[in-house]
Amino acid sequence: DIQMTQSPSSVSASVGDRVTITCRASQDISSWLAWYQQKPGKAPKLLIYAASSLQSGAPSRFSGSGSGTDFTLTVSSLQPEDFATYYCQQAYIFPLTFGGGTKVEIK
Amino acid sequence: QVQLQESGPGLVKPSQTLSLTCTVSGVSISSGTYYWTWIRQPAGEGLEWIGRIFKSGTTNYNPSLKSRVTISVDTSKNQFSLKLTSVTAADTAVYYCARDGIGGSYDYWGQGTLVTVSS
Repeated sequence: DIQMTQSPSSVSASVGDRVTITCRASQDISSWLAWYQQKPGKAPKLLIYAASSLQSGAPSRFSGSGSGTDFTLTVSSLQPEDFATYYCQQAYIFPLTFGGGTKVEIK
Repeated sequence: QVQLQESGPGLVKPSQTLSLTCTVSGVSISSGTYYWTWIRQPAGEGLEWIGRIFKSGTTNYNPSLKSRVTISVDTSKNQFSLKLTSVTAADTAVYYCARDGIGGSYDYWGQGTLVTVSS
């Protein structure tokens, strides 16, 4: 299985901060990567697909980059509704696998 | 708009079979070109891909669960289902159904249903 490693596991930030989350795949996955936001008690919400494409309806302050094994999710200016847990997911090979999550907390 | 809704027992005894159904609305499983997926999440933990099905019945399963999992589709009811046999406490989780979107991502999810394995 492809292992997806996210860092940091948690980050404390303030409203207006720029936040970057990284995801590393244990092997080359090209651009087959998605990012999700999950709030407590809710299903994950798709933010980014194909490593850098913004999902319809997702705020433009979210952006994704990377290819191969190293990827980043950036929130350009953190908003109150962005405090949540973020997951990456590889869609390159079965079984599809997710990162362990990054919790973005209020500083 | 597309909506998915999981249903099924919230409590299953150890060694028994977990059965869940996902009812899809807003899009026809039989007319689309999407795969339909089950994903689970133990409390406080990450997400685990269980498997997926196409309208034709073609399936892909997570090898870690393959011996115990069956995913089926009923296009006449616009539903797909999950069966997981010989459950243990380790199968306690929130189970989500989702639609495979562009690039293998999941663009629509059900709200999730908690299944607890306990005697």
